[in-house]
Amino acid sequence: DAKTTQPPSMDCAEGRAANLPCNHSTISGNEYVYWYRQIHSQGPQYIIHGLKNNETNEMASLIITEDRKSSTLILPHATLRDTAVYYCIAYSGGGADGLTFGKGTHLIIQP
Amino acid sequence: GAVVSQHPSRVICKSGTSVKIECRSLDFQATTMFWYRQFPKQSLMLMATSNEGSKATYEQGVEKDKFLINHASLTLSTLTVTSAHPEDSSFYICSARPLEAYNEQFFGPGTRLTVL
Repeated sequence: DAKTTQPPSMDCAEGRAANLPCNHSTISGNEYVYWYRQIHSQGPQYIIHGLKNNETNEMASLIITEDRKSSTLILPHATLRDTAVYYCIAYSGGGADGLTFGKGTHLIIQP
Repeated sequence: GAVVSQHPSRVICKSGTSVKIECRSLDFQATTMFWYRQFPKQSLMLMATSNEGSKATYEQGVEKDKFLINHASLTLSTLTVTSAHPEDSSFYICSARPLEAYNEQFFGPGTRLTVL
């Protein structure tokens, strides 16, 4: 699976939109972009995933550039409970493959 | 839906003993489950892939005789840490892939193992 690069940390004010970038310049055509987050001492929580088109669900929006070399996860109205480490993962979805986690972005929501 | 549980949530054991951790998919069936380990301030590292009815596949550097994995049913996988040492102290997390959702993995809440 392609390597992803994320900033190590970001701050965001409560109530504002949090925009988390991810670079995946070597992503291949069959790899999806997945986002998970991990709140301290808990298991990772699935947020959203996409292949080419932008995606939105009740938690977040995912914007993928046309060349698919980067993406942005958007939390539209961040709350204190969104403080977590966010992982961007390029994954082909093969059943035999586990996920390769990078270091992620530690997002801190400030009151 | 798509809930994965782990038991116990935390365990403390003496060096040299064995510890079993259970991973269950509560509302779906999973032919494949994965076991990860996370040391403090580090990211999750895949340890092994567990397939129902067959032997687990271990990642490079993970001792299969030390970390025994059994996936006896479509809803249960177990990880047994044998002859535990203090350096095995870590956060162990499992994930499960639903039969009908090929691209998705759902994670358990993790098990904190402390070996004294």
